Amino acid sequence: AQTVTQSQPEMSVQEAETVTLSCTYDTSESNYYLFWYKQPPSRQMILVIRQEAYKQQNATENRFSVNFQKAAKSFSLKISDSQLGDTAMYFCAFMKEYGYIFGTGTRLKVLA
Amino acid sequence: NAGVTQTPKFQVLKTGQSMTLQCAQDMNHEYMSWYRQDPGMGLRLIHYSVGAGITDQGEVPNGYNVSRSTTEDFPLRLLSAAPSQTSVYFCASSIQGRSYGYTFGSGTRLTVV
Repeated sequence: AQTVTQSQPEMSVQEAETVTLSCTYDTSESNYYLFWYKQPPSRQMILVIRQEAYKQQNATENRFSVNFQKAAKSFSLKISDSQLGDTAMYFCAFMKEYGYIFGTGTRLKVLA
Repeated sequence: NAGVTQTPKFQVLKTGQSMTLQCAQDMNHEYMSWYRQDPGMGLRLIHYSVGAGITDQGEVPNGYNVSRSTTEDFPLRLLSAAPSQTSVYFCASSIQGRSYGYTFGSGTRLTVV
């Protein structure tokens, strides 16, 4: 069975600095999709970035990028130039055929 | 576009009562699903649907029923509410599912007393 592990329950970063959130997963599949979602205090789940496992190139969306290490089954999220609006819970997710397996989340606080 | 709309946003039920959480999307998405979110845990899949008339169980289906009579709507029914069903419930939809990712509704906070 697939599992997703986020080992950092809470993190903080100074505004304008860079922070990396860790995620590891386990699967026997060779082709799959990985996602990062952001959940601000409003509780809305917002898609941040996605990665296709068969693509070697790491995905990037503006200030958000991933470090995808397929052999190590690692999928970390890097946030550059952190902003106060980045304060939120961040969930790593593995996409099964019809639904996600989510990690337990990392609470990120951006400090002014 | 409204996206994924969930109603109600908050609900308090007594143990044993039944209710239906509503979910509607206006994006003509074939894939829809329900998740629950409990403190300290990520979201867990309850039920999903890959099109009108087709539903299946997810990771935690016990105590919940679903149906999909139209592409737009995917209601979640609690037949006899229990305190263990106190949670935040999210509905999500996707045009294709696996590769595109899902759009989530804003959630329903349900408390069973």
